[in-house]
Amino acid sequence: DSGVTQTPKHLITATGQRVTLRCSPRSGDLSVYWYQQSLDQGLQFLIQYYNGEERAKGNILERFSAQQFPDLHSELNLSSLELGDSALYFCASSLRTGPGELFFGEGSRLTVL
Amino acid sequence: GQNIDQPTEMTATEGAIVQINCTYQTSGFNGLFWYQQHAGEAPTFLSYNVLDGLEEKGRFSSFLSRSKGYSYLLLKELQMKDSASYLCAPFYNQGGKLIFGQGTELSVKP
Repeated sequence: DSGVTQTPKHLITATGQRVTLRCSPRSGDLSVYWYQQSLDQGLQFLIQYYNGEERAKGNILERFSAQQFPDLHSELNLSSLELGDSALYFCASSLRTGPGELFFGEGSRLTVL
Repeated sequence: GQNIDQPTEMTATEGAIVQINCTYQTSGFNGLFWYQQHAGEAPTFLSYNVLDGLEEKGRFSSFLSRSKGYSYLLLKELQMKDSASYLCAPFYNQGGKLIFGQGTELSVKP
């Protein structure tokens, strides 16, 4: 158990819909990262937050947005969903903004039908 | 980008030794992580190298050459449970994002 909690574990929805994925980092970790992993693909970095502020941005679509709240949990919002958004979405946390070991949650598996 | 290059697939025999190579862009390089990921599961940390040389941790060792932009992960006494994807992730000075390579899918055969 990494100490990072992600909900929901599984989510099935339809194209055009909007979903929110939630992440609670390890106790004491200030940095949260979001990654997308499509079937048989590598981990694609989406976005990073540190202590409530956006620190780094990767290949995140405009339809996607995220934020980190004062209690340090984070949410990833995916809107106008497309079939290609079906993937495993991982959240990871670390103590600092970097470098440091990332602790990954078990992921949220999103299926868009 | 980081130009991370590692082999897509490797196959090895149980009990053998396998070396997984990774090359990366050296400009702004800070250190390099190796993670293991079993199919459908979260990646787990294996090692972090900052200085040149070999770091050993049980059956797993990781090597770094900063000047050559090269690292490898060495797995000894392979076990069936070592069948997984091994992800190379160099870390750079700019910002905190950690970019992963595509991963090397290792299959351990009996």
